[in-house]
Amino acid sequence: DIVMTQSPDSLAVSLGERATINCKSSQSVLYNSTKKNYLAWYQQKPGQPPKLLIYWASTRESGVPDRFSGSGSGTDFTLTISSLQAEDVAVYYCHQYYSTLSWTFGQGTKVEIK
Amino acid sequence: QITLKESGPTLVKPTQTLTLTCTFSGFSVSTSGVGVGWVRQPPGKALEWLATIYWDDDKRYSPSLKNRLTITKDTSKNQVVLTMTNMDPMDTATYYCAHRRFRLTLDSWGQGILVTVSS
Repeated sequence: DIVMTQSPDSLAVSLGERATINCKSSQSVLYNSTKKNYLAWYQQKPGQPPKLLIYWASTRESGVPDRFSGSGSGTDFTLTISSLQAEDVAVYYCHQYYSTLSWTFGQGTKVEIK
Repeated sequence: QITLKESGPTLVKPTQTLTLTCTFSGFSVSTSGVGVGWVRQPPGKALEWLATIYWDDDKRYSPSLKNRLTITKDTSKNQVVLTMTNMDPMDTATYYCAHRRFRLTLDSWGQGILVTVSS
């Protein structure tokens, strides 16, 4: 399995400030033939299913505010919330879909308001 | 608009077999590139992918649970069924089904069903 490790496990950020979440994969999720990173980010609010935010490491899903951005390649990725809003309080998960034999998720990062 | 809904028992006994049904609308699982996956989440814990079935009936399972899982589809009913054998209290979780977008991963999710394993 490709192991996904997120850091930190939780963070508290003031409203309007930047939040940064890191995700590291145990092996590269960059597919050479397509030059795409098979890495997605989800947001999960309490009592709700996960919501797809970002795919191909940096492509925002339709309707996702542009304060959310993804970056990185190979094994190291970052989700950035440029200006934290109250409605962004949630747990965020990275997810690799590179290995068709076994998809995996990170352990999650809880974002709270400071 | 894609919608999915999980159904099945909310309480099962240890050693029993769990059967969950995902009923969906807004897409066909026979469309090229499409799939339906199952993911679970124990209370307060992380997401765990379980299985995915594709339009061509290709099936993929979590290596750690492969021996206990079976995923099937009924295209005419717009349903995907997941069975998990030999249930254990550690299998207590919310089980989600989700749509797999063409050449991508899971994009639209059901609300989930909480399954408790207890005698």
